[in-house]
Amino acid sequence: DQQVKQNSPSLSVQEGRISILNCDYTNSMFDYFLWYKKYPAEGPTFLISISSIKDKNEDGRFTVFLNKSAKHLSLHIVPSQPGDSAVYFCAANYRTGGFKTIFGAGTRLFVKA
Amino acid sequence: DAMVIQNPRYQVTQFGKPVTLSCSQTLNHNVMYWYQQKSSQAPKLLFHYYDKDFNNEADTPDNFQSRRPNTSFCFLDIRSPGLGDAAMYLCATSRDGANEQFFGPGTRLTVL
Repeated sequence: DQQVKQNSPSLSVQEGRISILNCDYTNSMFDYFLWYKKYPAEGPTFLISISSIKDKNEDGRFTVFLNKSAKHLSLHIVPSQPGDSAVYFCAANYRTGGFKTIFGAGTRLFVKA
Repeated sequence: DAMVIQNPRYQVTQFGKPVTLSCSQTLNHNVMYWYQQKSSQAPKLLFHYYDKDFNNEADTPDNFQSRRPNTSFCFLDIRSPGLGDAAMYLCATSRDGANEQFFGPGTRLTVL
């Protein structure tokens, strides 16, 4: 039962253009969403997050949009840079006693110079 | 720099031979997690500690055990590794569980 789905295993974008990574979820109890970035041979690193009470959060070149009615979130990177080439994981938190995090399977982004 | 350290980075073991993976953190975070990640799949939570409180996921096999002797260290013990346990094992920490997690580089386990 995949509660967090990233349906695109990979995405290729030209340098300077916008990268849009998508994530769908099924659990309406999720109250916090996060994006992580992972380079080869490293662990995932936190990139940006958004609370379920918001619909947009921006940090420099990175913006996350949340559409609760569609149970969909997206990460926009603009302009894309070759150093952005990595695997991006969508994750969602919900309270269950403590907190639990569910990860998507990731999308590999290639930014071509 | 505050960080999450995992040792070893690569571990090779034989089928059925117990193995221990270690994780340490200098962040002084309350929560520590162990994830299993197989190729092109989502990291799968095995268990986590909130301080000393151990929380096991319902579908984590009994073959997997964990210890957290103090705030800084957490261990993953695989009692009898099978071929299906070959994976990347990620340790992560969180200040309180509500916000972002900080990951170590992972230990890649190979089972021969």
